[in-house]
Amino acid sequence: AQSVTQPDIHITVSEGASLELRCNYSYGATPYLFWYVQSPGQGLQLLLKYFSGDTLVQGIKGFEAEFKRSQSSFNLRKPSVHWSDAAEYFCAVGERGSARQLTFGSGTQLTVLP
Amino acid sequence: EAGVAQSPRYKIIEKRQSVAFWCNPISGHATLYWYQQILGQGPKLLIQFQNNGVVDDSQLPKDRFSAERLKGVDSTLKIQPAKLEDSAVYLCASSLEGAGGQNEQFFGPGTRLTVL
Repeated sequence: AQSVTQPDIHITVSEGASLELRCNYSYGATPYLFWYVQSPGQGLQLLLKYFSGDTLVQGIKGFEAEFKRSQSSFNLRKPSVHWSDAAEYFCAVGERGSARQLTFGSGTQLTVLP
Repeated sequence: EAGVAQSPRYKIIEKRQSVAFWCNPISGHATLYWYQQILGQGPKLLIQFQNNGVVDDSQLPKDRFSAERLKGVDSTLKIQPAKLEDSAVYLCASSLEGAGGQNEQFFGPGTRLTVL
């Protein structure tokens, strides 16, 4: 069964600073990989996804993520954080097959200091 | 395009009471998911429907939880009787099954359940 680990429960950065959120996965084959963001009281919004091809994926709101097969990682990055980026971020792995289910990590809470 | 709709947004009940949540997926989406998100955790899949059939309900506590999607469109999730540990946000998601199974799921705003 697949699993996702987000080792950082909470990260604090200053506005304008760069950001990297870590995600490691366990899956028997090449997975589908996703990053979602959740603001308070809101559902999950998809930031970006990796299915195949170029391992550097661009998403919305200036985010990007890099799939590294050798490290089983899919870290999320942003060069300059805005105060509106404060939220909880979830990494997820999706099955390739008939079920196509998502398994989520436990999330990283991002605080942005002015 | 309208998103995934859920109601109610908030519900407070006492333990041993029953509660029901409703979800209307994005039009044309064949697959519907119910997730439970406990505070401080990621969403956990409870049940997955493909049209009106159940694909996976292996993590659904069937002694108290039930779900249906009778006409292959909207769905209801019921808890009877509720326990304190059922306090969580219940998220509904839907996806359009395209070629290659690129399972991008679209999420509703969730229903926050508090069991007292």
